[in-house]
Amino acid sequence: AQSVTQLDSQVPVFEEAPVELRCNYSSSVSVYLFWYVQYPNQGLQLLLKYLSGSTLVESINGFEAEFNKSQTSFHLRKPSVHISDTAEYFCAVSGFKAAGNKLTFGGGTRVLVKP
Amino acid sequence: DTGVSQDPRHKITKRGQNVTFRCDPISEHNRLYWYRQTLGQGPEFLTYFQNEAQLEKSRLLSDRFSAERPKGSFSTLEIQRTEQGDSAMYLCASSFPAGTVDEQYFGPGTRLTVT
Repeated sequence: AQSVTQLDSQVPVFEEAPVELRCNYSSSVSVYLFWYVQYPNQGLQLLLKYLSGSTLVESINGFEAEFNKSQTSFHLRKPSVHISDTAEYFCAVSGFKAAGNKLTFGGGTRVLVKP
Repeated sequence: DTGVSQDPRHKITKRGQNVTFRCDPISEHNRLYWYRQTLGQGPEFLTYFQNEAQLEKSRLLSDRFSAERPKGSFSTLEIQRTEQGDSAMYLCASSFPAGTVDEQYFGPGTRLTVT
């Protein structure tokens, strides 16, 4: 069984300031890790994913996340946010293919970027 | 192809009525997933199909819920004798497993309100 904890339900942040969204997971099997973003009135979109290899993964719009196996964490960061980053962000894990690829999500972190 | 589509986008029904939702996946995707998202929570896995075979069902999927994917293309999720606790966003995702993990693409969801 897997579980995901997102430690902050809401994060207010000023435009151009940095932001970090925390995610911790637990699992009895090896996992893949994902961050999804949900803009208002839209579906979930994949932001970035960790499968293997380098523990630092980046998205095309400036977000990055670092996999830390010892701390079972996959925190998401952006050094300078824009108003358009206002959205809800979900961390998720998935077991290896043999264990099924259903996603287990955290509760979400709502980011509100203020001008 | 414009992505995963879901119909209807919104549904209001009275307690005790039956409802059916439809999901059309991306055309070449052979896996299809259903999730449920209640207010303020992350999505929770309900069930998934590979082609027309339903391979896994969550314990969240009570006997009142049934899902089908008769020809391995679109899928329907039916809820019989709806209850107020069924009010939620129902999300559909599809994927085409390639390599070690399949990337799930989500539809916009169907928001169900049971009065």
